[in-house]
Amino acid sequence: QQPVQSPQAVILREGEDAVINCSSSKALYSVHWYRQKHGEAPVFLMILLKGGEQKGHEKISASFNEKKQQSSLYLTASQLSYSGTYFCGTEESGGSTLGRLYFGRGTQLTVWP
Amino acid sequence: KAGVTQTPRYLIKTRGQQVTLSCSPISGHRSVSWYQQTPGQGLQFLFEYFSETQRNKGNFPGRFSGRQFSNSRSEMNVSTLELGDSALYLCASSFRTSGRAETQYFGPGTRLLVL
Repeated sequence: QQPVQSPQAVILREGEDAVINCSSSKALYSVHWYRQKHGEAPVFLMILLKGGEQKGHEKISASFNEKKQQSSLYLTASQLSYSGTYFCGTEESGGSTLGRLYFGRGTQLTVWP
Repeated sequence: KAGVTQTPRYLIKTRGQQVTLSCSPISGHRSVSWYQQTPGQGLQFLFEYFSETQRNKGNFPGRFSGRQFSNSRSEMNVSTLELGDSALYLCASSFRTSGRAETQYFGPGTRLLVL
């Protein structure tokens, strides 16, 4: 089930903060976050696992609410290099799709100087 | 360590033709997943191969098929191309040591244009 990301787009000035949300209607085991710059491949940022474990980027934080099947990515003191499209990928608990990621449609983040 | 490579990078085909895309994963990675990316649709999962076996399959018609070789390299084939197949096709590799999803490393993609 494709997760829903919000907002679809956000424009920031350098130094401002942003939050990107990802929501699923299914019970989740993990949430993965990726960033894709224009014309480039998506790059891994972070994995949030059921139970609270996080693995990933030092300057970007995220949360995972297992009960609500929601995750949020927090970008603080944004830099120009943060610009790009952010995708969340959700891994559902159990079922026949073990290990498969469902990606949202993306959130386009633009940081201006 | 070399990253994921995909060939060709660009491809132009006409409707009705067939196309084969290739993906070489990072050395040591046994899982290869394929995605179709179109503007506004995000990453649509096609299928995943692990140790030469298809492990997961997305909701795409049977015209889309794939395979994986013993060296973990993977190919994706699309037969009877349609205009709507124009997209960026990405492959991603991962260790997949557990049954769970792990960090995926994406290749640069193959941009397919169907005329």
